[in-house]
Amino acid sequence: DAKTTQPNSMESNEEEPVHLPCNHSTISGTDYIHWYRQLPSQGPEYVIHGLTSNVNNRMASLAIAEDRKSSTLILHRATLRDAAVYYCIDFSSNTGKLIFGQGTTLQVKP
Amino acid sequence: DTGVSQDPRHKITKRGQNVTFRCDPISEHNRLYWYRQTLGQGPEFLTYFQNEAQLEKSRLLSDRFSAERPKGSFSTLEIQRTEQGDSAMYLCASSLMPASPLHFGNGTRLTVT
Repeated sequence: DAKTTQPNSMESNEEEPVHLPCNHSTISGTDYIHWYRQLPSQGPEYVIHGLTSNVNNRMASLAIAEDRKSSTLILHRATLRDAAVYYCIDFSSNTGKLIFGQGTTLQVKP
Repeated sequence: DTGVSQDPRHKITKRGQNVTFRCDPISEHNRLYWYRQTLGQGPEFLTYFQNEAQLEKSRLLSDRFSAERPKGSFSTLEIQRTEQGDSAMYLCASSLMPASPLHFGNGTRLTVT
């Protein structure tokens, strides 16, 4: 069963920043926090991951709370192509297995 | 990196027929995963392989489902005696090692009539 909780949906305006929250209430000390997104009619796409420190890459930034019970995916300037379902996942490096929840459906308005 | 390839993209079959899907992972990726996704839901884990060894099979997976990965390269997922409830998107993913992010294919959409 999915261990993370996310809002079902969020809206954003194009070219504005978007902050997607996630609660990791049962995360273990060795689990990484992974974010994936899924565009319509495509398979999920890896976005970013981290363990304790904030992370940046070309797609997004990941802010992780000090207690690791919450994280936030930050899209700095949303585009229409960012409209997708975003999943946050507690990723066990032991099993390497992703357990998906319902995710957050992000709508981007022009 | 040519990405994870799945074949066919779409499959329509009649109830009771057997179907087989193929997944070609990214070259040199040791891990290979199968997921199933129905409309409006997140992908559901089915099974995964480390090279040719099948490490885990979901308890939710019926005995009608079987997966293989001969020689640790491509994988096949077979569904015997299909039922309408098997209609879904079947996704394959691969990763270089257990701690690595997964790379997904675009799936095979199965419709059972």
